[in-house]
Amino acid sequence: AQSVTQLGSHVSVSEGALVLLRCNYSSSVPPYLFWYVQYPNQGLQLLLKYTSAATLVKGINGFEAEFKKSETSFHLTKPSAHMSDAAEYFCAVSLLVSGNTPLVFGKGTRLSVIA
Amino acid sequence: DAEITQSPRHKITETGRQVTLACHQTWNHNNMFWYRQDLGHGLRLIHYSYGVQDTNKGEVSDGYSVSRSNTEDLPLTLESAASSQTSVYFCASSEGQKGPTDTQYFGPGTRLTVL
Repeated sequence: AQSVTQLGSHVSVSEGALVLLRCNYSSSVPPYLFWYVQYPNQGLQLLLKYTSAATLVKGINGFEAEFKKSETSFHLTKPSAHMSDAAEYFCAVSLLVSGNTPLVFGKGTRLSVIA
Repeated sequence: DAEITQSPRHKITETGRQVTLACHQTWNHNNMFWYRQDLGHGLRLIHYSYGVQDTNKGEVSDGYSVSRSNTEDLPLTLESAASSQTSVYFCASSEGQKGPTDTQYFGPGTRLTVL
């Protein structure tokens, strides 16, 4: 079965520093991969998704992620953190082969941004 | 604007009581999902539906049921609430036309406490 592992339940960065949130996937078939963000007391919203069109995916709010098949990774990055980036981030995977397949979410990484 | 709403936003109940959480979307999406979010577990899928009269069990379906009588609504029922069901519940929907690349849109969540 497919799954995702997010390394680090909590990441803390200084304002202006690089943000790197790690996600590794496990899938026997080529996956579709997603990053969602959850701001405090809100539901999740899509940041970006990999659909096999390009390995480097750009999302909203300056975030991007690179699909690396050899490393089974889909890490999320942002060059310069803003205070408004403080939130919980979820990596998720769905299968390529099946028609409508529910997402499988990682356990999440909470990002704190220090002034 | 189209949206997805959940009600109530907060609920306190007693063990053994039946509880129903409402989810309503106005996008005319085919797919709807219920998740629970718990610290250290991320989001876990409870039930999902790919259309009217269709329902499927997710990873943690025991003690929960759903029914889909129209496109807009997927109520979640806890048959006999247990303290282990204290959680934040999120409803989501997706168009259903793009298969595994569909974006899911999340409601604001319902915080349920079972005493």
